[in-house]
Amino acid sequence: GAGVSQSPRYKVAKRGQDVALRCDPISGHVSLFWYQQALGQGPEFLTYFQNEAQLDKSGLPSDRFFAERPEGSVSTLKIQRTQQEDSAVYLCASSRTGYSSYNEQFFGPGTRLTVL
Amino acid sequence: KQEVTQIPAALSVPEGENLVLNCSFTDSAIYNLQWFRQDPGKGLTSLLLIQSSQREQTSGRLNASLDKSSGRSTLYIAASQPGDSATYLCAVVETSGSRLTFGEGTQLTVNP
Repeated sequence: GAGVSQSPRYKVAKRGQDVALRCDPISGHVSLFWYQQALGQGPEFLTYFQNEAQLDKSGLPSDRFFAERPEGSVSTLKIQRTQQEDSAVYLCASSRTGYSSYNEQFFGPGTRLTVL
Repeated sequence: KQEVTQIPAALSVPEGENLVLNCSFTDSAIYNLQWFRQDPGKGLTSLLLIQSSQREQTSGRLNASLDKSSGRSTLYIAASQPGDSATYLCAVVETSGSRLTFGEGTQLTVNP
């Protein structure tokens, strides 16, 4: 179907607020990834799901960050008690298979989070 | 830890020039390397994916090569156009996992 979609596209939060970012992967894609991109930098890995299983969360910067994909499709990245350093673009990507040998990842437009 | 470096950080060329963007990575144990394009305020568009067993991939005016043993990849853009202006990112997937490790990108400007 359509590409990866993310919502909201822009989010402004006051320091200390909780936020939830949504990702709809390409239909049928097994793998889903979250990345964080600071201004002027390349994206950095946060976490990876294969279906509903979170196989790697080593990139999550603190325990304020939590991600889930309960039915193996839509995923939500939640940030609790937001801090100014959380301001970034959050990118979601999906890939067709769970095998890394051919793991072309397709990215959504991102959610730009600004914490005031 | 895998590190990906892209040179140059920025490049400005006149329309019609052929150009080369460089990417290097420190750990050659990779599954594949992917080149992306990012327009301002937008997500990433996949351009080319080269599997570790391949030496190059081509799509239209784009050609990407991979020398895994030396940890290098190049993206060649032929007959550049103003519409090619964007940031180009390379990224690798290591054999130890599924994540992409990105370089910081090359910001390309093609002047009419």
